[in-house]
Amino acid sequence: DGGITQSPKYLFRKEGQNVTLSCEQNLNHDAMYWYRQDPGQGLRLIYYSQIVNDFQKGDIAEGYSVSREKKESFPLTVTSAQKNPTAFYLCASSIQVPNTEAFFGQGTRLTVV
Amino acid sequence: SQQGEEDPQALSIQEGENATMNCSYKTSINNLQWYRQNSGRGLVHLILIRSNEREKHSGRLRVTLDTSKKSSSLLITASRAADTASYFCATDPRPQGAQKLVFGQGTRLTINP
Repeated sequence: DGGITQSPKYLFRKEGQNVTLSCEQNLNHDAMYWYRQDPGQGLRLIYYSQIVNDFQKGDIAEGYSVSREKKESFPLTVTSAQKNPTAFYLCASSIQVPNTEAFFGQGTRLTVV
Repeated sequence: SQQGEEDPQALSIQEGENATMNCSYKTSINNLQWYRQNSGRGLVHLILIRSNEREKHSGRLRVTLDTSKKSSSLLITASRAADTASYFCATDPRPQGAQKLVFGQGTRLTINP
């Protein structure tokens, strides 16, 4: 089955630790995205990538880092510099042309303990 | 930055009634999309309407777009309990160029049996 997979589903982090969220897709999509969602809120763009080995900051990139070494994978690292990391993180992908839909993973819920 | 703003923030109706949600946005767009999110899950694409289209249908969904007012509406007819979810509009804004979706805050729809 084609799709986009995020892991883990739940993640707990101690203050001061870096954690990496996984996002893998087998849809052959060029574009991939990371969004953050806080309770009762919309989605805010963290980083996006249109092609392998290239990515751009979104609206709230501070305290986060990404890499895009393979087309299928776009991991997100939440660093200790992110002061309020507890949130629901969503990864998405889309074909690299305008006017197409995005496909979302099921999300990772990150909690700082 | 949040491009789209949904209205109302929450809507509760009886099963069988129609539900209407509105979305306003700020800048010119290439297209506008509507997504659905069940609690704690990823988003699912519902419908995409291009900037040169005024109305689009998909099953029980009807979307309108008024670019002069920078607004869109999503109508769900003959609602069912399974339609209970949050609904988000997302825009592909010009002239930012890069393909990225900017989401609104969402409308929480509750269908009462």
